Amino acid sequence: AQSVTQLGSHVSVSEGALVLLRCNYSSSVPPYLFWYVQYPNQGLQLLLKYTSAATLVKGINDFEAEFKKSETSFHLTKPSAHMSDAAEYFCAVRNTGNQFYFGTGTSLTVIP
Amino acid sequence: SQTIHQWPATLVQPVGSPLSLECTVEGTSNPNLYWYRQAAGRGLQLLFYSVGIGQISSEVPQNLSASRPQDRQFILSSKKLLLSDSGFYLCAWSVSGSWAGELFFGEGSRLTVL
Repeated sequence: AQSVTQLGSHVSVSEGALVLLRCNYSSSVPPYLFWYVQYPNQGLQLLLKYTSAATLVKGINDFEAEFKKSETSFHLTKPSAHMSDAAEYFCAVRNTGNQFYFGTGTSLTVIP
Repeated sequence: SQTIHQWPATLVQPVGSPLSLECTVEGTSNPNLYWYRQAAGRGLQLLFYSVGIGQISSEVPQNLSASRPQDRQFILSSKKLLLSDSGFYLCAWSVSGSWAGELFFGEGSRLTVL
């Protein structure tokens, strides 16, 4: 079965600092991986996705993630945090049966 | 362009009452459709998904059911709500036959059962 694990349910960074949100996947086949962002009382928006092309994936708002097969990881990074980045972030994996499974989420706080 | 509509946005219901949440997708045909639940402080739990009219797969046995009466309509129902049914319900869709495609989410429905 495929799944994702997000380490750290809460992350705090200072404005302008590096953002690093961790995601590890468990999959018996090459996975399709996604990062989503959720603002309060809203649905989820796609930040970026890995679909077995380039291992370094660039997304919206300067976010990027690197697929590392040897570490079974797909961590999300952003060089410089903005106040507007404060939100809940979810890592997800898609299996070949059309199901998408999400991690438990990481709440990002940006300190001014 | 494709859009997804979900309603109602907010719902307060007494224990034991019925539930109906609706979701429709516009601008695409034969989408895969999904219902997720997000409980307070927890991740997203896949409840149901559908690859076609009348085809419903249930991920977790519970007090809820889903139906897909039309190609782009997905309904989440309950005959008798429990307190534990409270949460934020999200409808989503993906492109059929696109193995690498992403999920597109509605704005969610917040259900409070009292």
